[in-house]
Amino acid sequence: QSALTQPPSASGSPGQSVTISCTGTSSDVGGYNYVSWYQQHPGKAPKLMIYEVSKRPSGVPDRFSGSKSGNTASLTVSGLQAEDEADYYCSSYTGSNNLEVFGGGTKLTVL
Amino acid sequence: EVQLVESGGGLVQPGGSLRLSCAASGFTFSGYWMHWVRQAPGKGLVWVSRINSDGSSRSYADSVKGRFTISRDNAKKTLYLQMNSLRAEDTAVYYCAREVSIRTHDYWGQGTLVTVSS
Repeated sequence: QSALTQPPSASGSPGQSVTISCTGTSSDVGGYNYVSWYQQHPGKAPKLMIYEVSKRPSGVPDRFSGSKSGNTASLTVSGLQAEDEADYYCSSYTGSNNLEVFGGGTKLTVL
Repeated sequence: EVQLVESGGGLVQPGGSLRLSCAASGFTFSGYWMHWVRQAPGKGLVWVSRINSDGSSRSYADSVKGRFTISRDNAKKTLYLQMNSLRAEDTAVYYCAREVSIRTHDYWGQGTLVTVSS
């Protein structure tokens, strides 16, 4: 049950785009289209931003998009806004014992 | 409005026990799988356990297997996590979360803090 690998930090200026990666294995990210992305502001509960690799829940701005290539999933935030500054976590279904694994998280800073 | 409200956290000594509860409202609780996810202070999210909609199937992270038990009472619309043989490394905020599709959590509680310390 090793955690998925995310960069610890990412940054961009308002209006720019930033992409956060999430690397796993063929047993999780690469093997299934069940990758989710969560946004977490300090002291708050996580919020679902992307599910099943690229689907967006209602209410989430279309500035947020997801994709996957091989064992790596990505979250792209376009047109960065100050309120996008938060921690972002990926998660994936893993076929190993029908479990779930999270990434270590990426702190997104809007410069 | 969907709501998940955790309770039962607190300070406990190493080796002790604690039972967390998660009260659900605003949706048909018995129709959803539920999960517990924890977050140690300043650290990332870690999946802990899940239970299917009728309680007949449960899974655990290796780090808590044999010490934690997840359960649910659909009549009371409540999810539980019984935590035994607690260790310092179990110190975390524990969130309950609803699963809306495979390993997709659309609603989370506000979390309850568990501190294991002597």
